[in-house]
Amino acid sequence: DAGVIQSPRHEVTEMGQEVTLRCKPISGHNSLFWYRQTMMRGLELLIYFNNNVPIDDSGMPEDRFSAKMPNASFSTLKIQPSEPRDSAVYFCASSYDRDQPQHFGDGTRLSIL
Amino acid sequence: AQSVSQHNHHVILSEAASLELGCNYSYGGTVNLFWYVQYPGQHLQLLLKYFSGDPLVKGIKGFEAEFIKSKFSFNLRKPSVQWSDTAEYFCAVNTPNTDKLIFGTGTRLQVFP
Repeated sequence: DAGVIQSPRHEVTEMGQEVTLRCKPISGHNSLFWYRQTMMRGLELLIYFNNNVPIDDSGMPEDRFSAKMPNASFSTLKIQPSEPRDSAVYFCASSYDRDQPQHFGDGTRLSIL
Repeated sequence: AQSVSQHNHHVILSEAASLELGCNYSYGGTVNLFWYVQYPGQHLQLLLKYFSGDPLVKGIKGFEAEFIKSKFSFNLRKPSVQWSDTAEYFCAVNTPNTDKLIFGTGTRLQVFP
């Protein structure tokens, strides 16, 4: 049973570059979540989708961040342009339905130089 | 707005010691409660969950948590910790029929042999 799959696992890039993080949720799950984890701020919800529709993007830091979910099996989180303060681990999670536990991917460790 | 408080930020124990991690939430209605564990360098995994019924919930690896509605608490316990329990523990809450999980800031547990 494949879990939530994220790519890449690690990304190192220079500030100003565009960064795209990818997520494949567990098949059959209706909800998808993007989180950011840092030492200073802990685990923050950035945005989540239900049935491919963005429901709450209030956690997206600023306009440099955007997320899409073109279909039920794929989502992207894009940062353009990237800044050093965006360095963090970004997790994607999915759940089968409302109230159900979320299943997390292994995360993307992003370093912006 | 809902919030989750984990007052113990860092706990250090010796093997075989008993563990209790505090979790309090702020919401007056019905809630679903979760504990997640994040082992070093890994993603978050569900430890246990409470939706309804018996307020004493048994999870994996010998963990349990007790929901005390009058205290708005959902503390995590383990009678005898092991070195392999070294990890970060997150309490989370959502309300029925919603997708969004509110996470606490996490408690880092270090267990020494």
